[in-house]
Amino acid sequence: KQEVTQIPAALSVPEGENLVLNCSFTDSAIYNLQWFRQDPGKGLTSLLLIQSSQREQTSGRLNASLDKSSGRSTLYIAASQPGDSATYLCATMNTGFQKLVFGTGTRLLVSP
Amino acid sequence: EPEVTQTPSHQVTQMGQEVILRCVPISNHLYFYWYRQILGQKVEFLVSFYNNEISEKSEIFDDQFSVERPDGSNFTLKIRSTKLEDSAMYFCASSGTQRGSDYGYTFGSGTRLTVV
Repeated sequence: KQEVTQIPAALSVPEGENLVLNCSFTDSAIYNLQWFRQDPGKGLTSLLLIQSSQREQTSGRLNASLDKSSGRSTLYIAASQPGDSATYLCATMNTGFQKLVFGTGTRLLVSP
Repeated sequence: EPEVTQTPSHQVTQMGQEVILRCVPISNHLYFYWYRQILGQKVEFLVSFYNNEISEKSEIFDDQFSVERPDGSNFTLKIRSTKLEDSAMYFCASSGTQRGSDYGYTFGSGTRLTVV
């Protein structure tokens, strides 16, 4: 059974810092991995999708990497802004399944 | 940008009552999903739906739950007899391909269900 863990659980940084959020998963037989952003009381916004054959994906100030063999993904946020404050979730889809398995998230606060 | 729309945004119901949560997926998507998030916990998969059939479901999705696509646009989740532990945020999602392998999943903004 896939277990997805995210560390740290919470992170507080001043504006402008580069930061890394970590995601680890126990079953490396994944089809893809997706990073989401969740604002308080709101839905999930897809940020990046990495297929199992890919090593990384980039969108603007965001870069996500995937190392299947070690069961890890990282989300790198460059030059953080207060508007980046949210909870970041990673989720894996395993081969043979259609469901996403989510981590518990990292709650990010970027202060001005 | 295309959106997944969920209604209502918040629903309060008495224990034992039936509720129907509604979703309008993105129009050209073929795969539809329900997830839920109990306050302070992980987002959990409930069910996936394709070609008018359930294609995968979790242990949570027992006989109290059902899904339907009553017309060409709506996708609904029905809980027959709500329990206190059904209180959660329910998210609908859709994707264009089976495993979201195009641009991933698009989630709605959720329906907060409170059972009293």
